[in-house]
Amino acid sequence: TQLLEQSPQFLSIQEGENLTVYCNSSSVFSSLQWYRQEPGEGPVLLVTVVTGGEVKKLKRLTFQFGDARKDSSLHITAAQTGDTGLYLCAGPGSNYKLTFGKGTLLTVNP
Amino acid sequence: EAQVTQNPRYLITVTGKKLTVTCSQNMNHEYMSWYRQDPGLGLRQIYYSMNVEVTDKGDVPEGYKVSRKEKRNFPLILESPSPNQTSLYFCASSFRGGSYNEQFFGPGTRLTVL
Repeated sequence: TQLLEQSPQFLSIQEGENLTVYCNSSSVFSSLQWYRQEPGEGPVLLVTVVTGGEVKKLKRLTFQFGDARKDSSLHITAAQTGDTGLYLCAGPGSNYKLTFGKGTLLTVNP
Repeated sequence: EAQVTQNPRYLITVTGKKLTVTCSQNMNHEYMSWYRQDPGLGLRQIYYSMNVEVTDKGDVPEGYKVSRKEKRNFPLILESPSPNQTSLYFCASSFRGGSYNEQFFGPGTRLTVL
């Protein structure tokens, strides 16, 4: 089973601060996805990164896929309270399985 | 509205009493999947289905059954629930299986087994 390790597990910051969360593996992934999950809801896809070294931007969120396709990061600039949630990375495994990391629980305080 | 629906949203039951959690999607997706989410363990895939009549085990299939008789429906069956199956369950669907496909998740079913 390919494992995805996310860090930090918990992150509490003030509105306006910048932050980075990480998704690491010892395995190579053909792609990685980032999802955000809000309390009481299912995860929602933010982005899919496919190419090693790829950088994608979604407003204040910047996603990067490592050159070796074993890791990814999510950077949020000037965090807002609406960014609060559980951030999950996910990657395809063997036989069309999908593996999720345990997530980073982000709290942005006003 | 494109969506994945699950029923029931909340369920409290007792050990050994068979139950079914239904999942339906209206997006004509081929790939459907069940996950359980537990504190400290994250989201783990239980079963998935590539298409009608094609299902396969995920990482934690023990104690669960699924069927895919129609493209839109993918019920999760617990033949003899036990307390260690108390969890938050999510159904998801995507256009196809494999990389690059966005998973659309249902709202979740919170199951408690006493």
